[in-house]
Amino acid sequence: GNSVTQMEGPVTLSEEAFLTINCTYTATGYPSLFWYVQYPGEGLQLLLKATKADDKGSNKGFEATYRKETTSFHLEKGSVQVSDSAVYFCALSDYDYKLSFGAGTTVTVRA
Amino acid sequence: GAVVSQHPSRVICKSGTSVKIECRSLDFQATTMFWYRQFPKQSLMLMATSNEGSKATYEQGVEKDKFLINHASLTLSTLTVTSAHPEDSSFYICSASPPGNRATEAFFGQGTRLTVV
Repeated sequence: GNSVTQMEGPVTLSEEAFLTINCTYTATGYPSLFWYVQYPGEGLQLLLKATKADDKGSNKGFEATYRKETTSFHLEKGSVQVSDSAVYFCALSDYDYKLSFGAGTTVTVRA
Repeated sequence: GAVVSQHPSRVICKSGTSVKIECRSLDFQATTMFWYRQFPKQSLMLMATSNEGSKATYEQGVEKDKFLINHASLTLSTLTVTSAHPEDSSFYICSASPPGNRATEAFFGQGTRLTVV
């Protein structure tokens, strides 16, 4: 079956620090990969996505590259802000349209 | 972007009663909606797939008689937690995607915080 393994948190950073959240996946087919973000008190929002190998998703300074050879989709941001404090979920969607989520990583950015 | 509205956002009920949660796609039709459950500080676990006009498909380990799903129209799916108990207290979230392929973005409702006392 499909599964997503995500770096456990919590992660605490200072403003302008570099952020990496590791994500690896197992899938039977050729999934699409997503990063969703959940800000405090809000629902999930799509942050970025990639649909095939070597695709790079990017949004709000975040980037992730679909690496089929390492079955990974690591999230990176070069300089985080306090407003980036949230829970980040890696997810995949396969032929059945269902989303499989990683455990989520709580990121706290301190001023 | 597309909007999915979930209601209520928060509900407290007595043990043994039933609670209905609604999920609406406001600006698109969704033949399929998904219901998730999120435990504190944990990830979302898919409970079931709601199919318009047919029976829902439940994930392994989810009691279909306890979590009744009705997808009565192309814009509305409901989840009813029957005979609720304190262990059913959780955060329930629905999602739907506009027609497209599996890479189409899923839009999530705001979630419903259920507390059973």
